[in-house]
Amino acid sequence: LAKTTQPISMDSYEGQEVNITCSHNNIATNDYITWYQQFPSQGPRFIIQGYKTKVTNEVASLFIPADRKSSTLSLPRVSLSDTAVYYCLVGLNQAGTALIFGKGTTLSVSS
Amino acid sequence: GAVVSQHPSWVICKSGTSVKIECRSLDFQATTMFWYRQFPKQSLMLMATSNEGSKATYEQGVEKDKFLINHASLTLSTLTVTSAHPEDSSFYICSAREPGRGDSPLHFGNGTRLTVT
Repeated sequence: LAKTTQPISMDSYEGQEVNITCSHNNIATNDYITWYQQFPSQGPRFIIQGYKTKVTNEVASLFIPADRKSSTLSLPRVSLSDTAVYYCLVGLNQAGTALIFGKGTTLSVSS
Repeated sequence: GAVVSQHPSWVICKSGTSVKIECRSLDFQATTMFWYRQFPKQSLMLMATSNEGSKATYEQGVEKDKFLINHASLTLSTLTVTSAHPEDSSFYICSAREPGRGDSPLHFGNGTRLTVT
């Protein structure tokens, strides 16, 4: 399973764009990159997933370079409610395959 | 979208007693579910993989006789913490993904806070 490395913490202000980069140098050919958000005492919530290039949904964008050894989660115009821990996970999206969590990035958004 | 539900959301029990946590896939069938544990200020740690109709697979260091897993149907997996002790106090989270799709992400329940007194 590919190991991921993220910054331990990041600080931002409301209204700013936040980019969190994750390094996954030994990603395998069939691995997907998935980002989750977790609030205290809640289960992780799926944010976005991608395999290559760029993926965008209503809450975030995910940028993946051609070599796929890293990825960047982009949160546009963050608000106080985006304060949470963000996890980057890499692995197969098969029914019988678990995902291993790294330490995650604690994002703190201030007013 | 796919939803995974856990029950109870929190439980307090006395040392030496057993506690059962349920994990249900609400709108899909899950032949496999995963159980994680999370201690305060730490990341999620995979405990075991629950397989419908067969024995669970436990990660190294997780006592299978202490954390009993039963996956009796395609929508329900249970985790029983037997003879609980204060050090078992933690946040337990289950997860599953929809089968049959090559890009199906892992969906997580809302977790169960276990406090052993």
